[in-house]
Amino acid sequence: DQQVKQNSPSLSVQEGRISILNCDYTNSMFDYFLWYKKYPAEGPTFLISISSIKDKNEDGRFTVFLNKSAKHLSLHIVPSQPGDSAVYFCAASAMVNFGNEKLTFGTGTRLTIIP
Amino acid sequence: ETGVTQTPRHLVMGMTNKKSLKCEQHLGHNAMYWYKQSAKKPLELMFVYNFKEQTENNSVPSRFSPECPNSSHLFLHLHTLQPEDSALYLCASSQGGWGKDGTEAFFGQGTRLTVV
Repeated sequence: DQQVKQNSPSLSVQEGRISILNCDYTNSMFDYFLWYKKYPAEGPTFLISISSIKDKNEDGRFTVFLNKSAKHLSLHIVPSQPGDSAVYFCAASAMVNFGNEKLTFGTGTRLTIIP
Repeated sequence: ETGVTQTPRHLVMGMTNKKSLKCEQHLGHNAMYWYKQSAKKPLELMFVYNFKEQTENNSVPSRFSPECPNSSHLFLHLHTLQPEDSALYLCASSQGGWGKDGTEAFFGQGTRLTVV
């Protein structure tokens, strides 16, 4: 049972336009959400996060939106740049046992920015 | 450079071999993790260590054996693996407490393992 779902395996966006990556989750205990970016032959790197007490978090060109009622979050990148081409993973965590948290990841979305 | 170093970067091993993956972090983090990334699957958590104590074993077969001698080092000992174990193995560390804003995991570059 996949608790974090990224239903779009790939996405192509024109340079300068907005990229929107989506993520859905099923576990209502999740209270912290993160986006990771991964280039080939490298480990994932943290991009941006949001806790369940917020519905929006912005960091430069990156904004994450959280809709708790729909159990949906999205990552907006604007304007999109060629260097943004990578695989983006959505991840979620539940503060069930302090000190024993773990991240549950989605399958990733490959974003390609077209020059 | 994330501060988490994994060696080797690539490993090819036979099904009867014994090998070890190494992970090192000098970020002062108290939690370390092993993840497995197979093609078209989510990152799968394998093991969690908090303050050198294993707090999670996510139903991983015994042919994978983790070791955490101190809070900066984590090993994954491999023996009698199967071809389906071929994957990218990622180590990560964190300060723990995911619920706090600004807390995240730092990943190593991974070891690409091929079992032949």
